[in-house]
Formats: sequence, C-alpha cells, structure tokens
Amino acid sequence: SAVISQKPSRDICQRGTSLTIQCQVDSQVTMMFWYRQQPGQSLTLIATANQGSEATYESGFVIDKFPISRPNLTFSTLTVSNMSPEDSSIYLCSAGTRSYNEQFFGPGTRLTVL
Amino acid sequence: QKEVEQDPGPLSVPEGAIVSLNCTYSNSAFQYFMWYRQYSRKGPELLMYTYSSGNKEDGRFTAQVDKSSKYISLFIRDSQPSDSATYLCAMRVAGDNQGGKLIFGQGTELSVKP
Repeated sequence: SAVISQKPSRDICQRGTSLTIQCQVDSQVTMMFWYRQQPGQSLTLIATANQGSEATYESGFVIDKFPISRPNLTFSTLTVSNMSPEDSSIYLCSAGTRSYNEQFFGPGTRLTVL
Repeated sequence: QKEVEQDPGPLSVPEGAIVSLNCTYSNSAFQYFMWYRQYSRKGPELLMYTYSSGNKEDGRFTAQVDKSSKYISLFIRDSQPSDSATYLCAMRVAGDNQGGKLIFGQGTELSVKP
C-alpha cells in the first residue's frame, strides 16, 4: 500500500481567497485523484491528476476553480480558488499503485470558508 | 436517483454481533466493488474489493456481490468496538477508458458497544 500525507490538515479561510492543498505519496504511483467529501454526503471525484499533462476534470468541476498540478509521480497539489462558504468541505487525495481498484487515501484537508 | 444508495444509519450493535452493511446501485456497468472504512477525522481505508459477482473473505470480513439484484454486502463477524467507524461502499466501471473513477455510497455509521 501507499502512505499518503496532506498539508494542511485543516484551514479556515476568508471568502474570495485561494488555498493550495499538497498531497505527498511515499512511493511512485501511476494514478492520483482528488475527491471532495461534503458533510453528510459521499465522496465525489473532482479530477484525476495526470503526470506531465493537464488534469482530467469530472462534470461540475472546472480548472479555473480547482487548478491541479502534478509535477512528478509522488506529488500533487489542488488549489481551491476564489472560495465561497459552499467550498467548505473535506478534500481528499488518493493514489493508486497496482490497479484502479486499490486506491489509498490521504487523511484529508478540512476546509472552512467564512 | 443516486447511482449508489447506502443507508447512512447510524447502526448500533453489541460486541460480538454479526454486522451486515449493504449498498444498492443502478448502473449495471459497475464491475468492481470496494469497501472502505473511515474513522472519524481520518481518510478512508481500503478493506477489500471484489470483481463481478461472488464472495470474498478476509479475516472477519466477507464481501458479497449480487449483480443480478444490483446489491452488495459487507459482513463483519464477531464485531469489536474497534470496528466502530463509517463504512463506505464504492464501485467502478471496468475498462481503462473510464480511468479510476470510483462512485461512493454515502457511508453507514457503525457503532459497536462493549
């Protein structure tokens, strides 16, 4: 399995600002993903972070709002831009090693937007 | 209608009980089925995954898939207080062109009382 860390673990931000969340994996992985977990709801995939190319976004999520970088096989960032209270959520990074079926998650970043 | 339905609970059982957790789904194209455990303020932890229909056992945990009924289950034998957590089902369509997108249920909160 892969060990995944995220920074920050939590933050409280003001409306209109941006926050960049970092995801670090302890080994090289082929696949990295970003999910959102809103209170009382299931995890929703935001995008697939592709190494060396633009991220692939799911319906309802756009690059201008959630820019993603993946400069190498162990690291990715997700930025939540121009935040509003509706962006308050837990943001989770996941990584897959051998197959899409074995995705391992980081501890999450708990974001509150005032 | 959500693609994956899961009763959020909470479900409370005495220690030693057999626990049954279930999900139903609507997309007949789902081929891979996962169960995750999420402790409070932690990221989801992969318990096991199965392919297509059938059973899979791992220690006290057994996963069952009934594709004809679009119904999956996770059984926990001899439940322990340490099993108290939220259990999330997830599933995905086969084929690399779908990427690693997992569709999650809402999660069932389980409490095992000593």
